[in-house]
Amino acid sequence: AQKVTQAQTEISVVEKEDVTLDCVYETRDTTYYLFWYKQPPSGELVFLIRRNSFDEQNEISGRYSWNFQKSTSSFNFTITASQVVDSAVYFCALSEGRGGANNLFFGTGTRLTVIP
Amino acid sequence: DADVTQTPRNRITKTGKRIMLECSQTKGHDRMYWYRQDPGLGLRLIYYSFDVKDINKGEISDGYSVSRQAQAKFSLSLESAIPNQTALYFCATSGIGGTGTYEQYFGPGTRLTVT
Repeated sequence: AQKVTQAQTEISVVEKEDVTLDCVYETRDTTYYLFWYKQPPSGELVFLIRRNSFDEQNEISGRYSWNFQKSTSSFNFTITASQVVDSAVYFCALSEGRGGANNLFFGTGTRLTVIP
Repeated sequence: DADVTQTPRNRITKTGKRIMLECSQTKGHDRMYWYRQDPGLGLRLIYYSFDVKDINKGEISDGYSVSRQAQAKFSLSLESAIPNQTALYFCATSGIGGTGTYEQYFGPGTRLTVT
């Protein structure tokens, strides 16, 4: 059965600190996709990244970076030099099947608060 | 204009009332979904539809029904609302994007309160 675990319920950091959000997943499929979404206080879901199971290269986008390790079934998200605008709930999600065609299974989210 | 729209955005209703949440999309996607978000539980799938004639139950379908009126429209109904259906509801669509893989798009959410 598929499962996504975000063990960190809430994290607080002071502005400019780096922070890593953990995500551990379970799946029996060999083909799957992993996602991160941001949910700011306004409530909408903002897509951040999609990574397929065959690509373990880490990715960097500005202050954001992602570390995908199949050996530990983890897909961690790091924000460098955090800013107040990064305050949000962050969700990790898993989609099984070729092309990411199937439903998303979400973790319970990590609430990040960046203190000015 | 937004690709995925939800109406209403906010709704307060009373126990026992029937309510319908509507979702429309302009992405041309075949697949549409309804999710529910509760504090501390993340998003959970209620129903999904891979095309107009294909509707499937998700993880938490009890107490809900859906209608796929057209490719672009997918409605969620609560036949007799109860307070524990108070939640934030998201509609989503998915279809093959420029990368050749499925991309998912979420609507802005509907905040439903059942008193």
